[in-house]
Amino acid sequence: LAKTTQPISMDSYEGQEVNITCSHNNIATNDYITWYQQFPSQGPRFIIQGYKTKVTNEVASLFIPADRKSSTLSLPRVSLSDTAVYYCLVGDYNQGGKLIFGQGTELSVKP
Amino acid sequence: NAGVTQTPKFRILKIGQSMTLQCAQDMNHNYMYWYRQDPGMGLKLIYYSVGAGITDKGEVPNGYNVSRSTTEDFPLRLELAAPSQTSVYFCASSPRNWGANTEAFFGQGTRLTVV
Repeated sequence: LAKTTQPISMDSYEGQEVNITCSHNNIATNDYITWYQQFPSQGPRFIIQGYKTKVTNEVASLFIPADRKSSTLSLPRVSLSDTAVYYCLVGDYNQGGKLIFGQGTELSVKP
Repeated sequence: NAGVTQTPKFRILKIGQSMTLQCAQDMNHNYMYWYRQDPGMGLKLIYYSVGAGITDKGEVPNGYNVSRSTTEDFPLRLELAAPSQTSVYFCASSPRNWGANTEAFFGQGTRLTVV
């Protein structure tokens, strides 16, 4: 399993763009990068997944450089409702079923 | 679709009691997972299953048991409850664990307190 490192916490203000970077220096060739969001008292929710370059959906963008040793989750114009914990996961189907979460990044959006 | 359903939502157990946390999914997913989350911490994988009849230990399996007799259900059994098992428990399912367009779906959680 590729080890991931994220900031423990981040603060932002409403309307700003937030970028959360995840380091995964030992990422393997077959590994995908997946981000989940967890609101207080709820289970995590899938946000976005990518393998290389840039992926965008209605919620966020995921930027992956050519060496794939890091990835950046970008949340455009955050609101108070984006206050949550964001988890970066890295792995592939050869892991035999394990889906391991790290500590995550606690994002606090202020008015 | 109901997705992933966990029961009960809340439970208080006395030390030494046993209970089963229920988890059911209606998406025909092969992979199912049990996690625990202590206050202010990330999720820890307890057990997982890659299909009916197949289960394996995760990061923190001690004190728990699971079974997977059907694709839909993945109950978690606590034997001899201890205060250290006070936590929020999440069940999840996914069509596979990794690969393109793979996502895990989580239940709403079971908040367990052992006193």
